[in-house]
Amino acid sequence: AQSVTQLGSHVSVSEGALVLLRCNYSSSVPPYLFWYVQYPNQGLQLLLKYTTGATLVKGINGFEAEFKKSETSFHLTKPSAHMSDAAEYFCAVSDLRTGGYQKVTFGIGTKLQVIP
Amino acid sequence: DGGITQSPKYLFRKEGQNVTLSCEQNLNHDAMYWYRQDPGQGLRLIYYSQIVNDFQKGDIAEGYSVSREKKESFPLTVTSAQKNPTAFYLCASTSRGGNTEAFFGQGTRLTVV
Repeated sequence: AQSVTQLGSHVSVSEGALVLLRCNYSSSVPPYLFWYVQYPNQGLQLLLKYTTGATLVKGINGFEAEFKKSETSFHLTKPSAHMSDAAEYFCAVSDLRTGGYQKVTFGIGTKLQVIP
Repeated sequence: DGGITQSPKYLFRKEGQNVTLSCEQNLNHDAMYWYRQDPGQGLRLIYYSQIVNDFQKGDIAEGYSVSREKKESFPLTVTSAQKNPTAFYLCASTSRGGNTEAFFGQGTRLTVV
C-alpha cells in the first residue's frame, strides 16, 4: 500500500526566507509524485509533478522539488518566500491500477505561514 | 475554458435530510473522484468512477451515494446515514494514466444546522 507522510502540519517562515516542506512516501511500484497548493475555501491546484526523467522538478510560482529514491523523499522548496505563498500544501503519490484508474494518496497537508 | 464546476459553494443541511452535491467537468476525463476534507486529516476518498455507469467505494463511503450516468457528471448524495457530514467536499477528475495530475473543483462546504 502506498502512503505519504508530511512532516510538520504547520510551518512558519519569514518573508524572503527559504521554504522547505517535507514529504516522504512509500510505494510498492515506481511512484508518480505531486505537490498541490490550496488557498482557503478553494480547490487544489497543481504546483509540480514527478513522473520519470529528471529528478529535480520545477513548478509554478518558483517552487521546485527533488525526487530522491534512496530517501523516498520529495521535499518542496522555494528560495525566497512571498506573502502570497501562505497556503496549505499537499504532497500526493499516485500509481496506476487496472483499467487506467489512478490510486492517489494525499498527505495530511502542511499549512505555510509567511511572516512579514 | 475546461475545468470542473462544483455547486453549490455552500450548503446547509438539516438533521435527517439527504442533500446532493453537483460536480460537472468538460475536460473529457474518464475518471472522477469525490474527496472529503477535514482539518488535519488531508483528503479522504469517498467514491470514484472510471467509466460511465460504474463506480467504486473509496475509504469512507458509508453514508454517501453517487451515480455516473454521463461522462461529464458525478453527483454525490450525502444521506441521513452520514452521522458527521459537516466538511469540505472536493470533486476531481483525471485522464487515463497514473502520471497525469488531478483537476479539482472549487469545493462545496456542507454544514449541518
